[in-house]
Amino acid sequence: DGGITQSPKYLFRKEGQNVTLSCEQNLNHDAMYWYRQDPGQGLRLIYYSQIVNDFQKGDIAEGYSVSREKKESFPLTVTSAQKNPTAFYLCASSTGTGVIQPQHFGDGTRLSIL
Amino acid sequence: QQPVQSPQAVILREGEDAVINCSSSKALYSVHWYRQKHGEAPVFLMILLKGGEQKGHDKISASFNEKKQQSSLYLTASQLSYSGTYFCGTANAGNNRKLIWGLGTSLAVNP
Repeated sequence: DGGITQSPKYLFRKEGQNVTLSCEQNLNHDAMYWYRQDPGQGLRLIYYSQIVNDFQKGDIAEGYSVSREKKESFPLTVTSAQKNPTAFYLCASSTGTGVIQPQHFGDGTRLSIL
Repeated sequence: QQPVQSPQAVILREGEDAVINCSSSKALYSVHWYRQKHGEAPVFLMILLKGGEQKGHDKISASFNEKKQQSSLYLTASQLSYSGTYFCGTANAGNNRKLIWGLGTSLAVNP
């Protein structure tokens, strides 16, 4: 079955540590997105990529980094510069630009600070 | 500019109807509606494009009023499975490469 796989489901970060969240899709979608969701909040865009080897900052990119070396994969690194990383992270993908086609979401990664 | 959703929360009895609104201060290009259950991924419901169209999916439908820059989601004869948080995501006419999401409307359907 086609879909988006995020791993791990739960992740704990120590002070000063970088951690990487995985996102893989087998839907053959061109566009991929990373969102952050805090309790009681909507989705805030961290980074998005519309083609391989190209990505753009979203609204809250500071303290995060991404790469898009393969169409199927869009990993997100939460760096030590992100001082408040505790949140639910969602990866999504879509055909085209994602504003006139549906975005398909993974099951999310819940990140906490140790 | 983040769209404003109203109401913030709704409690229904099974079989009752509800309307959730999503308003923007900027000209809209498209409006997406998703439902998210606690701790799960958002699930796509429907997309509306500017042009004032209305869409339906089973007992859930939506409209897009271009003049008011507003979309409304209609839930009729609600079922227990409709419970969750409903989010609208909007793309503005001047920046139609990404969605901006509302804060969500929490819907609880009780027996």
